[in-house]
Order: sequence, then C-alpha cells, then structure tokens
Amino acid sequence: NAGVTQTPKFRILKIGQSMTLQCTQDMNHNYMYWYRQDPGMGLKLIYYSVGAGITDKGEVPNGYNVSRSTTEDFPLRLELAAPSQTSVYFCASSYDSKRGYTFGSGTRLTVV
Amino acid sequence: AQKVTQAQTEISVVEKEDVTLDCVYETRDTTYYLFWYKQPPSGELVFLIRRNSFDEQNEISGRYSWNFQKSTSSFNFTITASQVVDSAVYFCALSANYNTDKLIFGTGTRLQVFP
Repeated sequence: NAGVTQTPKFRILKIGQSMTLQCTQDMNHNYMYWYRQDPGMGLKLIYYSVGAGITDKGEVPNGYNVSRSTTEDFPLRLELAAPSQTSVYFCASSYDSKRGYTFGSGTRLTVV
Repeated sequence: AQKVTQAQTEISVVEKEDVTLDCVYETRDTTYYLFWYKQPPSGELVFLIRRNSFDEQNEISGRYSWNFQKSTSSFNFTITASQVVDSAVYFCALSANYNTDKLIFGTGTRLQVFP
C-alpha cells in the first residue's frame, strides 16, 4: 500500500500565485488533515475532514481552502500566495484515534 | 484548552548515553490519547507510540521506553544507549476529541547524538 501520497514534494511560488497541494490515501481512512510546519515549530492544523463532503477549519485556516469529494483525496488550495505561507505542509489520515496518524512525506513550499 | 509542552528545545548527547525527552500536556477531557512521533533529517514523520488515558502502564520497545504519569500530566520518552541514528526531532502530541482525532503537537525536541 502506498499510504498517504503528497504531491508535489517541492514548489516555489511567486507572491499572488495560486496552487493546489494534492493528498491521496489508499487506506480507506475517514479522517484526513492538513498541517503546516514552520522552522523550529510544531505542526499547526490548517483544515481537517471527518469524511467525504465534510471539512472544518483548524488552528490556522486563513489563506487556504480544502475540499473532500472522495474518501481518498483531500487537496489543499492556496489562493494568492504570501511569504507567510512558506512552510512544509503535511497531509495525514487516520482510521480512528486509537491508531494514530499516517503522514505523507510533506511538501516544501517557498513563496517569493 | 488543550496544550502540549516540550520544554527541551535541543538535547545533545554522546552515543551510548541514556536520554529522556519530556512532555507535559493539558486537557480537561477524561478520555484522550498521547503520541510520540520521530522526524529524522529526511523530514518524514514516523509514528512511535500511542497511549490512552486509561492505561498508565509504562511501555518498553527495544531501547525506547515511555513513562506516562497522569498525576503530573506527563508522558516522557527515554532512549537507552542512544545511537547516532536516533538523531531527529521528536514530537509529543495529544488527541483529546474523540470525534475528530485532531492532534495537538508540541514544538518538538531536537536530539543530536554524537559518535
């Protein structure tokens, strides 16, 4: 099984550009999450989803949007990229709280 | 409010030393889960352990051991006989909402093990 797959692995954006970070999982997990990790910091929750068609904001949602049309996919959209969005983005999924998360390998995004 | 505090920003040890990484958590929920994740220099996040709030037994897995104490709201992680390959950032995390499984992370402890 592939687990959680994130694409791209690296990306450089110019200020004001938009992009979508892709996240796919093949474990039939209902719960999916997007986190960002800034240097020297822990992970901050951006958005999460408890199932297809259901999404909710996390701790730092401003400047991002998500959708969950299928169980497998949970894309994260950045509109009007800003330097403050320079970060490493992790997608994760879980079956339930008893089993912990499975993380993707991360996307390193730089906004210049 | 829920919070995870890892007061040790960085720890350096020499190989074969034992090292303990501290984690203190805050939650008002009676049912919660605690986790440790490892982030090696390659950047991925690796799940190490999960404990639920009703199980205070210490756990040992090879050179790794975890000490969960509800009385002090702590979930400390000890590496015995550390190795260079243990060099990584270690995150403690708390999940205290059963319905959404959101994880709240500490800021991490960077462990450097020197040969």
